[in-house]
Amino acid sequence: ELKVEQNPLFLSMQEGKNYTIYCNYSTTSDRLYWYRQDPGKSLESLFVLLSNGAVKQEGRLMASLDTKARLSTLHITAAVHDLSATYFCAGTYNQGGKLIFGQGTELSVKP
Amino acid sequence: SAVISQKPSRDICQRGTSLTIQCQVDSQVTMMFWYRQQPGQSLTLIATANQGSEATYESGFVIDKFPISRPNLTFSTLTVSNMSPEDSSIYLCSVEQGLSYEQYFGPGTRLTVT
Repeated sequence: ELKVEQNPLFLSMQEGKNYTIYCNYSTTSDRLYWYRQDPGKSLESLFVLLSNGAVKQEGRLMASLDTKARLSTLHITAAVHDLSATYFCAGTYNQGGKLIFGQGTELSVKP
Repeated sequence: SAVISQKPSRDICQRGTSLTIQCQVDSQVTMMFWYRQQPGQSLTLIATANQGSEATYESGFVIDKFPISRPNLTFSTLTVSNMSPEDSSIYLCSVEQGLSYEQYFGPGTRLTVT
């Protein structure tokens, strides 16, 4: 059974700083997803990582996948207040589209 | 990307009643998924809805409590039956689209049971 764990669960950052959110998963995952959720809103798709070594970047966010270590990271560069949100990673299994979510990382970027 | 709408966006219901949530997608999709997000928590998959077959439920979720319909490739409903305050959650549908394996979520239905 696939289990997904994120850390940290809460992250308070200063603007301009860099930080990384970690996503570990317990068994083989076909794909690894990252989502953003603003308070009271639905999930916004950030990245889908399909293979070992995959790296994707969008603005100040960069996601990577190491399938051997069963680890994905979401790196935040020079954080700005607009990045404040909850970030979820999710894995899939059995070649299906069922997503197993991590606990979420609540990110707060302060001036 | 798929455009997904849900109705209602929110509702307040009395315990013991049922609510049906609708999910509409702007393109045909094979699989639709229903998730629950309890207050302050992550998302948990309730079931997978395929057109033309019975929904597949995850451990801890049963058809009598969460009956699902999937009459065509763009629409699905989830009913929350015999509600209790523990059912207060956000219910979201999602679809997987195309060769990119992107999964998109609807805006969610915020349910409060009193």
